[in-house]
Amino acid sequence: AQKVTQAQTEISVVEKEDVTLDCVYETRDTTYYLFWYKQPPSGELVFLIRRNSFDEQNEISGRYSWNFQKSTSSFNFTITASQVVDSAVYFCALRSSNFNKFYFGSGTKLNVKP
Amino acid sequence: DVKVTQSSRYLVKRTGEKVFLECVQDMDHENMFWYRQDPGLGLRLIYFSYDVKMKEKGDIPEGYSVSREKKERFSLILESASTNQTSMYLCASSLGGGADTEAFFGQGTRLTVV
Repeated sequence: AQKVTQAQTEISVVEKEDVTLDCVYETRDTTYYLFWYKQPPSGELVFLIRRNSFDEQNEISGRYSWNFQKSTSSFNFTITASQVVDSAVYFCALRSSNFNKFYFGSGTKLNVKP
Repeated sequence: DVKVTQSSRYLVKRTGEKVFLECVQDMDHENMFWYRQDPGLGLRLIYFSYDVKMKEKGDIPEGYSVSREKKERFSLILESASTNQTSMYLCASSLGGGADTEAFFGQGTRLTVV
C-alpha cells in the first residue's frame, strides 16, 4: 500500500523564521518518487521538487531545502527565513515506479505573518 | 509553456443535474487524473486514465464516471450531482510508464451543488 502522512495540519510562523514541513511515506516498492507541491490561494498546484528513491542527497534551492531519509521514510521540507509569499498549502506526494498513480498527503497549511 | 486547462474555474449546479468537468492537456501525456480536494483530506483520486479509452477507479469513484476519447482530453462526469459533491476538483496529467516525472495540474474547478 502507498501512503503519505503529513501530520502538521497548520503551522503559523512570523516572517524570517525557519520552518520545517514533515512528510512520512509508506511503500513496499524499491523504486519510487517523492514530490513536494505548493498550492497558493489561487488554487493551482505548483511543482517544487522531485526525488527518486536512489538519490538521498539533500537538495537546496535558494531558501528551500529538502531532507530525504530512507531509514525513517521521511522527506521533509524546510523554508529558511520565511516570507509572507510562502503562505500556502504544501503537499507531499509519492509515486511508485510500478504504478502510475500519485498519492498525496493531506497537506500542511503554512501561514507566514508579517 | 506546458499546460493543463480545466474548462471552468467556478461552477454552480443544482442537485440531480448531470455535470461535466472538462480537462485538456497539451503535453502528449499518457496519464490523466481527476482528484477531489476537501479541507483536511488532501487530494483524493477519483479516476485515472493511462491511455485513450482506458480508465481505473481511484479511491472515491462512487457517483462519478469519466471519459477519455482523445489523448489530450479527460472528462469527469457527475451523473446526478449531490450536495456532498461540492468540492474543488483538480485535473492532472503526467508521462506514463513509471517515468521519473511530476504531475502537472490544472487551475482547479470549484463546484458548488445547491
